[in-house]
Amino acid sequence: AQSVTQLDSQVPVFEEAPVELRCNYSSSVSVYLFWYVQYPNQGLQLLLKYLSGSTLVKSINGFEAEFNKSQTSFHLRKPSVHISDTAEYFCAAKKTSYDKVIFGPGTSLSVIP
Amino acid sequence: DGGITQSPKYLFRKEGQNVTLSCEQNLNHDAMYWYRQDPGQGLRLIYYSQIVNDFQKGDIAEGYSVSREKKESFPLTVTSAQKNPTAFYLCASSTGQGGVNYGYTFGSGTRLTVV
Repeated sequence: AQSVTQLDSQVPVFEEAPVELRCNYSSSVSVYLFWYVQYPNQGLQLLLKYLSGSTLVKSINGFEAEFNKSQTSFHLRKPSVHISDTAEYFCAAKKTSYDKVIFGPGTSLSVIP
Repeated sequence: DGGITQSPKYLFRKEGQNVTLSCEQNLNHDAMYWYRQDPGQGLRLIYYSQIVNDFQKGDIAEGYSVSREKKESFPLTVTSAQKNPTAFYLCASSTGQGGVNYGYTFGSGTRLTVV
């Protein structure tokens, strides 16, 4: 069965510092990958996605993630975080277009002023 | 604007009561999902429906029931059989065949508390 692992449950980081949130998935012939963000008491919002093509994908607010097939990873990075980035981040994957999305357990990012 | 509306935002249930959480979407999505979120446990799938008048159990369906009489609506009933219903409930939808291009669209959630 496909699974998604997020090794860090909590990541504290100072404002304007870089951050990396790690995500690994179980291997598959083909895979679609997503990062979602959840602000307190709200639903999840799609941050970015990898479907095919370029392995580096970017969001409009400065986050980027790189699909690494050999390491089965899809880590999320931002070179300089802001207070407003404080949220829960979920990595997700699906094997084919017919499958349901599998979510990781989430990483809580806390940006310290 | 298209989206998913969940209501109410906060809901209180007495012991032994059934309660129904509403989920409505105007995205013309075929598939809809219900998730339960507890602190430190991520999202757990309760039920999902890929087409009107059809739905399947997810990983934690016991104590819950759903219906899908209309494409736009997927209400979740938390029955008295659910012994620990206090949680944050999220509804989501996607285009047909799982919505590869757009992932899932989520509602803003309903926080259910047993009093």
